[in-house]
Amino acid sequence: DVKVTQSSRYLVKRTGEKVFLECVQDMDHENMFWYRQDPGLGLRLIYFSYDVKMKEKGDIPEGYSVSREKKERFSLILESASTNQTSMYLCASSDSGRVSEQFFGPGTRLTVL
Amino acid sequence: RKEVEQDPGPFNVPEGATVAFNCTYSNSASQSFFWYRQDCRKEPKLLMSVYSSGNEDGRFTAQLNRASQYISLLIRDSKLSDSATYLCVVNSGNTPLVFGKGTRLSVIA
Repeated sequence: DVKVTQSSRYLVKRTGEKVFLECVQDMDHENMFWYRQDPGLGLRLIYFSYDVKMKEKGDIPEGYSVSREKKERFSLILESASTNQTSMYLCASSDSGRVSEQFFGPGTRLTVL
Repeated sequence: RKEVEQDPGPFNVPEGATVAFNCTYSNSASQSFFWYRQDCRKEPKLLMSVYSSGNEDGRFTAQLNRASQYISLLIRDSKLSDSATYLCVVNSGNTPLVFGKGTRLSVIA
């Protein structure tokens, strides 16, 4: 059974803190993605990666960075958290081939105070 | 201009009703099309792919109209368990999937 796991379901941080969100997939997928989902705005792509050590900016990369040192792990980093980064963060992975089904993790609800 | 547009709803329908959602996309070079389902407080999951000839999976029928650049999802004999948000998803070649904002469906007993 395919599985994408995220390090936390709920996280509360303070403004200015550095935040790490971890995502791990056990399907040997090449592609991994980070989204945020907000009411009325839908899913917005932050960063994605098609291979280890590769990363590409999505639609809203400002204020975020990512790291992909191993194939199974894709980390999202908020260098200095701000209140407008309070959101649901969803990680996804897919097999090589750009039109492959994306499998999502359960999400991390991040609140920045 | 939004790449993928959907009516946000909510669509409130009684059990047993037939309901249809439409979705339009702006990129005429789009090649692949999908419907995802997202339950409340859960992650999105693939419901079905959409093929040019149209395809059916039980009570669900998906159709594609390339000339008008829209995709539809028809749900027959709605069940309470169909209550969810339905996301229209489009792929335009060598880029990540583009998700619509979703259409919320509530099936009422």
